[in-house]
Amino acid sequence: GNSVTQMEGPVTLSEEAFLTINCTYTATGYPSLFWYVQYPGEGLQLLLKATKADDKGSNKGFEATYRKETTSFHLEKGSVQVSDSAVYFCALSMVGAQKLVFGQGTRLTINP
Amino acid sequence: DTAVSQTPKYLVTQMGNDKSIKCEQNLGHDTMYWYKQDSKKFLKIMFSYNNKELIINETVPNRFSPKSPDKAHLNLHINSLELGDSAVYFCASSRARGNEQFFGPGTRLTVL
Repeated sequence: GNSVTQMEGPVTLSEEAFLTINCTYTATGYPSLFWYVQYPGEGLQLLLKATKADDKGSNKGFEATYRKETTSFHLEKGSVQVSDSAVYFCALSMVGAQKLVFGQGTRLTINP
Repeated sequence: DTAVSQTPKYLVTQMGNDKSIKCEQNLGHDTMYWYKQDSKKFLKIMFSYNNKELIINETVPNRFSPKSPDKAHLNLHINSLELGDSAVYFCASSRARGNEQFFGPGTRLTVL
C-alpha cells in the first residue's frame, strides 16, 4: 500500500539555523505530495504541495521538491524562526483517491 | 469566515456513553473527511464522504457512525465509548478527490 516515512523527531534547532526534515514515500503510481503544519493547540494547515515530479512547492520560506527518482519530498528552510515551532506532517494523495496518507509527524522546536 | 468548523472543541465523557461531534464547511466542497490523531500525533483517515455518499470506511469499529445530512455537514456519532477512543478528531474537506484538504481545528475527546 501507499505510505509516507518522515525523519524521527523531535528536532531542536537554534533560531536562524538551516532546517531539513526528510520525507520519503512509497506509492503505486504518481501521488500528489503535501506538507502540513500543526501549531500547538491548532488544526492542520497546508504549508506547501507539489503535484508532479520536479515540481517545487514553496511557502513562508519553506521549500520542498518532488523527486521521483528518490521518492522524496524533503522540507527545507534556510533560516528558521521561533514561530516555526510546530509539528510538520508529510502526506500523499493519489489522483482519484479520497484520503491523505500521512507520515508520523516531526516535532520541531526552535530556541531563541 | 471560518472555513471548516467543528463542535465541540473539547469533549470529556465516561466510558460507555454515546457522543457526537459536528462538522460544517462553508467552502462549497463536495468531499468531507474524518481523521483520528492519536496520542503520538499519528493521523489516520477514518471516513470520507463525497456528495453525502460514503466513499471510505477504513476499518473503523461499527460504534463509529458518520452522518452527512447535506454536502456542508459531516457529523460523527460514537456509541459505547471506550478508553481507546480518546484522541483528537479532525474534520476536513476538499473540492475533489486528491486535492488539497482543509482541516477543522479538531475535537479533543477524552474518555474516562
